Amino acid sequence: AQSVTQLGSHVSVSEGALVLLRCNYSSSVPPYLFWYVQYPNQGLQLLLKYTSAATLVKGINGFEAEFKKSETSFHLTKPSAHMSDAAEYFCAVSDRGSSASKIIFGSGTRLSIRP
Amino acid sequence: DTAVSQTPKYLVTQMGNDKSIKCEQNLGHDTMYWYKQDSKKFLKIMFSYNNKELIINETVPNRFSPKSPDKAHLNLHINSLELGDSAVYFCASSESSYNSPLHFGNGTRLTVT
Repeated sequence: AQSVTQLGSHVSVSEGALVLLRCNYSSSVPPYLFWYVQYPNQGLQLLLKYTSAATLVKGINGFEAEFKKSETSFHLTKPSAHMSDAAEYFCAVSDRGSSASKIIFGSGTRLSIRP
Repeated sequence: DTAVSQTPKYLVTQMGNDKSIKCEQNLGHDTMYWYKQDSKKFLKIMFSYNNKELIINETVPNRFSPKSPDKAHLNLHINSLELGDSAVYFCASSESSYNSPLHFGNGTRLTVT
C-alpha cells in the first residue's frame, strides 16, 4: 500500500521568505500525489496534484511542487510567504493498491508566518 | 451553491447517546467518503460509497453505520457514543478514478462528554 511521510509537524517562516514543506512517498507503482491546505475550522482544499503529466506541478495561491522519483519526494514550495498562507498542509497519495479509490493523508504540517 | 455540505457543524452530546451527521454533494460525483480527524489533525478514512454501494470500510467499530440513500447523500449514524469518538468528521466526494481529488465539506465537530 502507498503512504506518505511529512517531515516536520510545524514550520515557521518570515513573511516574504521561501516556504518549503517536505513530503516523501512510498509506492510500488507510479503514485498519484496531492497537496491539500486546511484553514482553521474549514475542510481541506486541493492545492495541486501530480498525475505523471509533468514533474513540476503548479497549484493555487502561488504554490508548486516537484515530483522527484529518485528521492521519492513531492515537496511543496512557495517563493514568498504571505500571512494568509498560515494553515495546516497535508500531503496525500492515492492508494492504487486498494480495490477502490482511497486517498491516504500524511500527518500534516502546520505553517506559521512571522510578520 | 456549496459543493459538499454537512450538518450539523457542531454536535455536543453525552456518552451513550446516538447521533447522526448528514452530508450532501451537488458535484455529480459517484463516490463519497467519511474521514475522521483527531485532535492531532491526523486524517483517517472511515468509509467510502460508490453509487450507493459500500466499497471501503476501514475497521471502524460497528457503532458507526453509514447510509447512502442516493449517490448525492451519505449520512453517518453513531450509536452508543464514547469519549474517544470526539473528533472532527469530514464528508468528501470525488469522481471514481484514482487520480481524482477529494472535495471536502467543512466538517462536523463532535464532542462527547
